[in-house]
Amino acid sequence: AQSVAQPEDQVNVAEGNPLTVKCTYSVSGNPYLFWYVQYPNRGLQFLLKYITGDNLVKGSYGFEAEFNKSQTSFHLKKPSALVSDSALYFCAVRVLDSNYQLIWGAGTKLIIKP
Amino acid sequence: EPEVTQTPSHQVTQMGQEVILRCVPISNHLYFYWYRQILGQKVEFLVSFYNNEISEKSEIFDDQFSVERPDGSNFTLKIRSTKLEDSAMYFCASNRGPGQGETQYFGPGTRLLVL
Repeated sequence: AQSVAQPEDQVNVAEGNPLTVKCTYSVSGNPYLFWYVQYPNRGLQFLLKYITGDNLVKGSYGFEAEFNKSQTSFHLKKPSALVSDSALYFCAVRVLDSNYQLIWGAGTKLIIKP
Repeated sequence: EPEVTQTPSHQVTQMGQEVILRCVPISNHLYFYWYRQILGQKVEFLVSFYNNEISEKSEIFDDQFSVERPDGSNFTLKIRSTKLEDSAMYFCASNRGPGQGETQYFGPGTRLLVL
């Protein structure tokens, strides 16, 4: 079965430090991977995606993610965290044997402390 | 920048009542979706819609649910007879065209509470 795992319910980082939010996936064939962010009382905002090509993908707000096929991972990173990055982060994968539905991870709460 | 909009932002209803959740997708998008997120749980796919018909639906999307694009701009989700377990945040999404790499853009959600 196709699935996405976000192993950490919560990640705490001090402001200015690098951050990583982990995501691993299990799909048939080549994955199409996405990161979304959800601020309190807001919808899901698209951050970045991996389709093909360069394994390092850059997205909004200074975030980037690295696709690692051998480890089936797509971790979200940022070199220097801001307090305003505090939010809920979701990894999602497009299922290839369906039309276009996204399969979602459980989400990781990122807390950046000043 | 164009956005997906949803109304209402919050809806409280009695069990057994019908509710209609409304969405206005981005204007040049052709593929539409509904997802839901029960509090504290994962986002779950409900249904996708293209060319005025359902293209895919999950097992959650049973006969109590229906979708419609009544005009050129709105995309609605109807729950015919709500149950307590329908309480969730419902997200509408849209994307422009076909292709596995297309990004889905989400609305702010409607929080549905069934009492």
